[in-house]
Order: sequence, then C-alpha cells, then structure tokens
Amino acid sequence: AQSVTQLGSHVSVSEGALVLLRCNYSSSVPPYLFWYVQYPNQGLQLLLKYTSAATLVKGINGFEAEFKKSETSFHLTKPSAHMSDAAEYFCAVSSGSARQLTFGSGTQLTVLP
Amino acid sequence: DADVTQTPRNRITKTGKRIMLECSQTKGHDRMYWYRQDPGLGLQLIYYSFDVKDINKGEISDGYSVSRQAQAKFSLSLESAIPNQTALYFCATSDRTLTGELFFGEGSRLTVL
Repeated sequence: AQSVTQLGSHVSVSEGALVLLRCNYSSSVPPYLFWYVQYPNQGLQLLLKYTSAATLVKGINGFEAEFKKSETSFHLTKPSAHMSDAAEYFCAVSSGSARQLTFGSGTQLTVLP
Repeated sequence: DADVTQTPRNRITKTGKRIMLECSQTKGHDRMYWYRQDPGLGLQLIYYSFDVKDINKGEISDGYSVSRQAQAKFSLSLESAIPNQTALYFCATSDRTLTGELFFGEGSRLTVL
C-alpha cells in the first residue's frame, strides 16, 4: 500500500520569499515520487519527478525537491516565489509492479505582492 | 492541439440523466485513466485501462462505467447522474515505462442538479 500526505492545504508566501511545500509518503517498496502543478482551469502538468537517480531533483520554473528516505519526505522548494507560481500543487507516489499513482490532497499556493 | 483531449469541458445536467465524458489521446500510450477531483480530496482513481481489453476498477468506481473503444479513446459514463457526482473529471495517459508518469487532459467540469 502507498499513501501521500501533504502538510498544509493552503500556503501563502510573499513574492520573492522561499516556497516550501511539504510531502511525506508511505510505500512498502522503493517509490517513484512526483510533483504536479495545476493552474486555474487547467489539467495537471508534471513539475518534477524522482526515479531513484539523484536525490535532489530539479524541475521546471526553478522548482526542486529532495528525496529523503530516512524522513520519507519529498518536499518541494523554490528560492524566490513569483506571482505566476500561484497554483495548486500535488505530490504523488507510485510503487509496485503496476506503478499506479496515488495523489496527495493538494496544497494551494498563494503568492502575495 | 492538446495531446489528451476531453469533451465536453463543461456540462450541467439533471439528476437521473445519463452522461458520457469522452477522452482521446495522440500520445500513442497504452494506458488510460479516469480521475475525479474534489476540493480538498486530491485526485481519486475511478477506472483505468492498460490496453483495449484490460479495464480495471479504481478506488471509487461505483456509479460509473467506462468503455475503451480504441487505443486512443476512453470514455466515462454516468448511467444515472446524482448530485454528489458533481466534480472535475480528468482523463490521463501513461506509457509502459516503469515510472508511472501521467499526462493529463484539461478536465471536464460536471454539475449535476
């Protein structure tokens, strides 16, 4: 069984401030981990993914995430928030032979001017 | 043109009506999925299909049915819509690689009155 917990359904940051979105996972086998972003009235698009290579993963738009096995975490960060980063962010895990994704409940990021 | 296309994008219907949501893809992927998104709940898997002859129930399949008409087409039906099926529905595809990465359509917003 696999699961994902995203801490904080809503996060607000000021423009230029650090963005930190938290994700913890549970998986009985080595997981693959993903962050997706959903802009208003759009589908989800892949931000970045961890597939057992480097533990620090860089994605699009300046985002990155670090896989920490000991903490079962895959937190998403960006050094300096931009207004265009306002969106909903979903963490997801896949494991097992079928590699089906299980999604967290999402974190709505608001960027304040 | 989008790689994963959903129709209709918006639909308002009445309780008891039959509704079909359609999905087509040009990515050449074997695997197709239907998800439901509700605020605060993330994405929940309704049905998935690994090829034309392989259809499987997801975690919330009750009240829904699907048809895989071809590799590129996967439709979701609500035989008798009810108000708690009001939600945003997403179609997604993936290939056979081990990561499980999903590619999403833009969503179909369904309102059942």
